[in-house]
Amino acid sequence: DQQVKQNSPSLSVQEGRISILNCDYTNSMFDYFLWYKKYPAEGPTFLISISSIKDKNEDGRFTVFLNKSAKHLSLHIVPSQPGDSAVYFCAFQGAQKLVFGQGTRLTINP
Amino acid sequence: DAMVIQNPRYQVTQFGKPVTLSCSQTLNHNVMYWYQQKSSQAPKLLFHYYDKDFNNEADTPDNFQSRRPNTSFCFLDIRSPGLGDAAMYLCATSREWQGVVNGYTFGSGTRLTVV
Repeated sequence: DQQVKQNSPSLSVQEGRISILNCDYTNSMFDYFLWYKKYPAEGPTFLISISSIKDKNEDGRFTVFLNKSAKHLSLHIVPSQPGDSAVYFCAFQGAQKLVFGQGTRLTINP
Repeated sequence: DAMVIQNPRYQVTQFGKPVTLSCSQTLNHNVMYWYQQKSSQAPKLLFHYYDKDFNNEADTPDNFQSRRPNTSFCFLDIRSPGLGDAAMYLCATSREWQGVVNGYTFGSGTRLTVV
């Protein structure tokens, strides 16, 4: 029973354009929603989060959107930079633990 | 810099031979987690410690055990590794449940190979 799904295993975007990463969930009891970024041979690093009572949170080039009715979370990166190339995981907080999606590999092309 | 350190980075073990992975932290966080991540899959929580209180996930196999002798260290013991246990093992920490908002701090992981 997969509670969190990132349906796109990979995404390729041109430098300077917008990157949009998507995540769907099934459990309505999640309290917080987070995005993590992972480079090869490193552990995931926290990127940005949003509470279930909000629908948008912005931090510099990164904006997270939450659509509770659709049970959908998205991360927008604009403008995309080469250093943004990494695997991005969405994660959901519920019952005092994080549940992760499978990840989307983002590649930013020059 | 305060951090979470996992040793070794790469571990090769024989089928059925017990193996221990270690995690240490200088953040003084009271919650420590072990996640298993297989190729192209989501990291899966195995168990966590809240201070000394051990919390096992219901679907974590009995083959996996953990020890936390003090705040700084946490160990993952695999009693009889099988080929299906080959994965990246990630240790993470958080302060209370503030990690909910600000995220967990992860180590770089240990990649386990079973031969």
